[in-house]
Amino acid sequence: SYELTQPPSVSVSPGQTASISCSGDELGNRHASWYQQKEGRAPVLLIFQDDKRPPGIPARFSGSNSGNTATLTISGTEAMDEADYFCQAWDTITARVFGTGTKVTVL
Amino acid sequence: QVQLQESGPGLVKVSETLSLTCTVSGDSITDENQYWTWIRQHPRRGLEWIGYIYYRARTFYNPSLRGRLAMSIDASKNQFSLKLTSVTAADTAVYFCARERSMAFDNWGRGILVTVSS
Repeated sequence: SYELTQPPSVSVSPGQTASISCSGDELGNRHASWYQQKEGRAPVLLIFQDDKRPPGIPARFSGSNSGNTATLTISGTEAMDEADYFCQAWDTITARVFGTGTKVTVL
Repeated sequence: QVQLQESGPGLVKVSETLSLTCTVSGDSITDENQYWTWIRQHPRRGLEWIGYIYYRARTFYNPSLRGRLAMSIDASKNQFSLKLTSVTAADTAVYFCARERSMAFDNWGRGILVTVSS
């Protein structure tokens, strides 16, 4: 089955840029989505179809996807961005897969 | 505004059947191009896609759960449901229902913790 791998943790200072990678075989040929999950809450969609933001998602969140890696970038990171982040893609047309997850710490 | 709400027992005994329902408001469950999905999260772990059903009642399941899993839809109540048979402690998790649209899960329920115990 298809696998998506993320770094377990990323640390960033307030106001700086955080980049979270998501690696999978030829991931650039699939559409990637990104979710933010805070403790005890349901995930929230941040990015879909590689680089699109749903209404209400701040512009500091952006996405890209090429080759074997999708990347979520948080520009001007704020304390409220401390959370777990998951990437997701279609395994096949009838199956879905999530990444292993990354804990972002804002120091 | 679309809202999803999971309901069902929070405690299930080993070898029995886990049954959950998701009630959808603010959207019709029979609309095309939307997949009604179950996702779970084991304690302190990542997200696992369980499967989905869409308006023609077509279902697609995670291969690792196929054989124990059944999903159904009740259009009259705007609900969809999950049944997972022969549960073990490994099925203890928070179960989320979600709507998939434009290849992403854009609306989620709050989640329900289901504990499997002996």
